[in-house]
Amino acid sequence: EEQLVESGGGLVQPGGSLRLSCVASGFTFSNYWMSWVRQAPGKGLEWLANIKQDGSEKYYVDSVRGRFTISRDNAKNSLYLQMNSLRVEDTAIYYCARTISATPGAFWGQGTLVTASS
Amino acid sequence: QSALTQPASVSGSPGQSITISCTETTSDFSSYNYVSWYQQHPGKAPKLIIFDVSSRPSGVSNRFSGSKSGYTASLTISGLQAEDEADYYCSSYTTSDTYVFGTGTKVTVL
Repeated sequence: EEQLVESGGGLVQPGGSLRLSCVASGFTFSNYWMSWVRQAPGKGLEWLANIKQDGSEKYYVDSVRGRFTISRDNAKNSLYLQMNSLRVEDTAIYYCARTISATPGAFWGQGTLVTASS
Repeated sequence: QSALTQPASVSGSPGQSITISCTETTSDFSSYNYVSWYQQHPGKAPKLIIFDVSSRPSGVSNRFSGSKSGYTASLTISGLQAEDEADYYCSSYTTSDTYVFGTGTKVTVL
């Protein structure tokens, strides 16, 4: 069974850092682009970043570029999102998703909640 | 990149057909056939229901169909069922090698 399991969310003070992880199973992780997408409470989806199969290409939405870094470790079937200089408005559920062709969310994890609050 | 514009809500009775629009006004959108649609039930992760404008993933009901004309993509749900009550989001690939989601539409089955 294909699975994506996110972890690493929690409560962090504004200005702080957090590293999210996403572990893949049930499919060949190294064959796919991967994305991070977030959803603020009661709000819509926001695509954040994606990364090529070998990590050689990365793209970001303007709102997180320079603060967030996407990375992956294919040997560990893992995707990461390093989040620095967190803001209150970064509070959201963060999803990792398998990307196919030009479809950012072909398959999704269940998400991990990040709360940036003092 | 601004979010794609969707109606906030659409409703219909069981058995009816409804259509959700997804509109963007820059050339980023109209040049590509890379529109996807997602269904999200409360408290759940989104689920892909349409990709590449009109293709359905394996296992998705053929009651869901997609199309695109110019700056507007559309999702049609035919034979509306109670289980279709959910939020729906469109998404498009952009010329910046990034993605943008729509504002989301709440579908209510009357």
